[in-house]
Amino acid sequence: AQRVTQPEKLLSVFKGAPVELKCNYSYSGSPELFWYVQYSRQRLQLLLRHISRESIKGFTADLNKGETSFHLKKPFAQEEDSAMYYCALSGRRETSGSRLTFGEGTQLTVNP
Amino acid sequence: GAGVSQSPSNKVTEKGKDVELRCDPISGHTALYWYRQRLGQGLEFLIYFQGNSAPDKSGLPSDRFSAERTGESVSTLTIQRTQQEDSAVYLCASSLFGTRQETQYFGPGTRLLVL
Repeated sequence: AQRVTQPEKLLSVFKGAPVELKCNYSYSGSPELFWYVQYSRQRLQLLLRHISRESIKGFTADLNKGETSFHLKKPFAQEEDSAMYYCALSGRRETSGSRLTFGEGTQLTVNP
Repeated sequence: GAGVSQSPSNKVTEKGKDVELRCDPISGHTALYWYRQRLGQGLEFLIYFQGNSAPDKSGLPSDRFSAERTGESVSTLTIQRTQQEDSAVYLCASSLFGTRQETQYFGPGTRLLVL
């Protein structure tokens, strides 16, 4: 079975401080991992995926297979980063395409 | 272009009634997913459509839930004899081919409240 755990429901930091949103997963194969973000009154949207190895809005995430983690990091948080962040995993099942398994989400608040 | 749209945006119904939720995917997207999000929880997979293949219904919580999709267009999720535990936001997503690496584009959701 595949599972995603985000241990922090709420995370609050000050503007300019580093931020790390934790994500751990369990999956027996080789997973695809994603971070999705939902800003206030907006729809859920992709922030970044591990396969792209890119930085989006200053955020990065590294897949650590040894620790089965995919933590999201940003060195200097901005107020506009305040949002709900979901870590998600896509395993490969022949009959279910890239169905996503989501964590419960972390509400990030960046205070001025 | 237009994103994924869903209707209605909100639905209040009485326990025992049937409800039908609609999803219009992005034009040309062959893969369509339904997810459910209960208050304070992550999204749960419900059902997946890929082109003309048989849908994967493995996430449907009970036989009161069903969904249809005509070709690569609109999908409807039907909940029969609604229960209070069905109250949630129902999200639809679509992607181009349904591969693992693809971005899923989400609709705004339908917020269902069963009284």
